[in-house]
Amino acid sequence: NAGVTQTPKFQVLKTGQSMTLQCAQDMNHNSMYWYRQDPGMGLRLIYYSASEGTTDKGEVPNGYNVSRLNKREFSLRLESAAPSQTSVYFCASSGRQGRGNTEAFFGQGTRLTVV
Amino acid sequence: AQSVTQLGSHVSVSEGALVLLRCNYSSSVPPYLFWYVQYPNQGLQLLLKYTTGATLVKGINGFEAEFKKSETSFHLTKPSAHMSDAAEYFCAVSRMDSSYKLIFGSGTRLLVRP
Repeated sequence: NAGVTQTPKFQVLKTGQSMTLQCAQDMNHNSMYWYRQDPGMGLRLIYYSASEGTTDKGEVPNGYNVSRLNKREFSLRLESAAPSQTSVYFCASSGRQGRGNTEAFFGQGTRLTVV
Repeated sequence: AQSVTQLGSHVSVSEGALVLLRCNYSSSVPPYLFWYVQYPNQGLQLLLKYTTGATLVKGINGFEAEFKKSETSFHLTKPSAHMSDAAEYFCAVSRMDSSYKLIFGSGTRLLVRP
């Protein structure tokens, strides 16, 4: 059981380049999330998807777009990368609230550097 | 809106000493509360969670936390620190509805001195 799988694990981009971070979960979870982690700031929510076909902005959505392709996959796209987007990105998933499965499971992260 | 405040970005204890990591939350509805641990260059792992029921929650690796509604707190404790406990710890809050967001605090790095 793989859990939450993120690709790639590492990426270096030049300013202005675009890229898509991929995330897939095999736990049949309804909700999926993208966070960024920066030193001293914890994990900040970029976007989340409460169910297939829905997405909503989190705390820091500017410069990002997302696609909930199906129940398993939730991708994060940087259309024009900026040095301020240098960070570690985590994808997570969780089951539907009220059904006893409130724990979020995390991928191993993507370390992105924009130069 | 929900929020989480973790007091102390770094906490240092001696091996065998009590570990206390503080977390206060803000939520207008009954919260779900979590503690996660992150070891270097890894993802986050759930330590323990409070949803409903007993307010003293036990987790993995000997950690526990107590939900105190009157103090809006969910502090993490462990009676005796071990070197392997050195990591970063995150408190998080969500709530009981179908479109909840999981919001994290800024984290506390635990250092364990030999």
